[in-house]
Parts: sequence; C-alpha cells; structure tokens
Amino acid sequence: EAQVTQNPRYLITVTGKKLTVTCSQNMNHEYMSWYRQDPGLGLRQIYYSMNVEVTDKGDVPEGYKVSRKEKRNFPLILESPSPNQTSLYFCASSPGLNEQFFGPGTRLTVL
Amino acid sequence: GQQLNQSPQSMFIQEGEDVSMNCTSSSIFNTWLWYKQDPGEGPVLLIALYKAGELTSNGRLTAQFGITRKDSFLNISASIPSDVGIYFCAGQGEGAQKLVFGQGTRLTINP
Repeated sequence: EAQVTQNPRYLITVTGKKLTVTCSQNMNHEYMSWYRQDPGLGLRQIYYSMNVEVTDKGDVPEGYKVSRKEKRNFPLILESPSPNQTSLYFCASSPGLNEQFFGPGTRLTVL
Repeated sequence: GQQLNQSPQSMFIQEGEDVSMNCTSSSIFNTWLWYKQDPGEGPVLLIALYKAGELTSNGRLTAQFGITRKDSFLNISASIPSDVGIYFCAGQGEGAQKLVFGQGTRLTINP
C-alpha cells in the first residue's frame, strides 16, 4: 500500500530535550516536506527536500533541522524543543512539487 | 511571501445543502489544489487544477481555476454527513518551489 508513515504519532516531552520525528514514504517520491498545523494558521511549511541531499527552508524553519540521506526518509529534528513548538506536524511526499501525499500526523506537546 | 486567503473560515449547514468556498491571492498561481482533512487524519487531495479556467469534478465536488489565476473555487453539491471536515486550498506560485496553503474552511453539517 502506497503510504507516508510518521513516528511517533503522539509525543509529550520537556523543554530542551532533543527529539526526532521520523517520516518514510514507499512511493519513490523525490519531493518531501514537513508542515506544522496550528489553529487558524493552516499548514505552514517548515522544510522541504527536492531530492537526496537537497534540502531547503520553508516558511517557519527556526528551531528545526532535517536531513535527506535516503530517498524514502526525511526525519525532522528538534535540537532543543520549546513550548512554542507544540503543534501538529505532517510529513508529505510527492513525485514533483504538486499533489502531495500526507502522513497521518504527529501531535507534539512540549512542556 | 505568497499568501492565500480562504473563505469562509467556517460553515454550518444542513444536510443536503450545497456548499461554496473560495481561495484568493494577490499574486498569480500556476497550480491550485484542494484538500480535505478529516479529524485526526492528514489532508487528502480532492482535486488538482493546472490551467486557468479549468473546471474539474470529483463526484459531488467541483473546483475551478480562476481566469485571473489569482483565485479558485470549490463547490460541494447535496452535502452529506461524511463531508464534515476542514477543506484547504493550496497553490504553487510562479517560480515557487513549494506549495502555499490557505487557512482552511471548517465544514459542519447538521443532520
């Protein structure tokens, strides 16, 4: 089954404790992206990657890192999480820029 | 940066009614996409539009790419309870390497 998977689905952590949210797709897509969703703000892009070893900042990259060492994986790293990073996070992939397929989401709470 | 204004922000309708929502921008877009997000899920692509003036249907859903390339509309006919959710427009601007999302329209249906 073609899908984008994210782990974990839910995470509660404390300020400053490094964490990684994994994202994997099995559709051989070149383009992958991370978004955060906050009430009233829609989906805002954090980082995107157009191919292996190619990443670029989206609209809200501060406090986040990503890597794209393999085509299928695109982890999101929070080196020192803060409460304002409490949000719902989505990973997405697509063969080109458009028609992105979204993962199920990761709900992160930073205390 | 490029922004999309989506309206209305929320709608409360009776089952069986038709629904209209729209998305506008101050700049030209090359692609318009409409997504639906069910509670606890990631957004799912409903319709993709690639050409100014294009009118595309997907079952009871119809979307149009505005002639000015600065807007798009989504209509849902004869709404049913499973239409409940948040609808997002998204677009790719000229020369852009990413999608921009609207703030979403939350649809609630009274049986």
